[in-house]
Amino acid sequence: QVQLVESGGGLVKPGGSLRLSCVASGFTFSDFYMSWIRQAPGKGLEWISYISTSGGVIHYADSVKGRFAISRDNAKNSLSLHMNSLRAEDTALYYCARYGENNYWYFDLWGRGTLVTVSS
Amino acid sequence: EIVMTQSPATLSVSPGERATLSCRASQTISSHLAWYQQRPGQAPRLLIYGASTRATGIPARFSGSGSGTEFTLTISSLQSEDFAVYYCQQYNNWPPWTFGLGTKVEIK
Repeated sequence: QVQLVESGGGLVKPGGSLRLSCVASGFTFSDFYMSWIRQAPGKGLEWISYISTSGGVIHYADSVKGRFAISRDNAKNSLSLHMNSLRAEDTALYYCARYGENNYWYFDLWGRGTLVTVSS
Repeated sequence: EIVMTQSPATLSVSPGERATLSCRASQTISSHLAWYQQRPGQAPRLLIYGASTRATGIPARFSGSGSGTEFTLTISSLQSEDFAVYYCQQYNNWPPWTFGLGTKVEIK
């Protein structure tokens, strides 16, 4: 079954850290570019980070640059997001998403998300 | 950064009627536009890419059109499962990949 499953969300205090994980199954993970996308409660979608197939190219949204770090382990079919210096405005449902086959830059597969709440 | 503007914010439609959703890009994006459907409590689902190509398994009642800066998603005859929020996303200039704020299609 082709799927992405996120984990690692939870309640964290402002200034704290959290590590999110996404495990892929049912497809060759190492062939696909990946991203993290978040959705604040009742709000729209915000792309926050991208990683190439090898991990050699990484991009971040300005809103998280310098605080978040994306990585992947192709041997374990996993994607990670290390989040530091968390703020209240980082509260959101965090999705991992796969880019389309043949390097198309839309998102053709999404996980169900993991909720991050930043609050004292 | 390319800003995507969707209209209307909310669209009230009766089952069986046609729904027309709009998406405008702040600069030309060719046909590098995708549409997603998000049902309550669910992850987004890819509907359309390349402005007009339906993704695998998407019913023919969903169609996309447009190029440049103006795009349209049409749902020809709304079914109960189509009441959801719809997002457009550009992938012509990145990073960042940008989404519109969404159009909620609700039952009239």
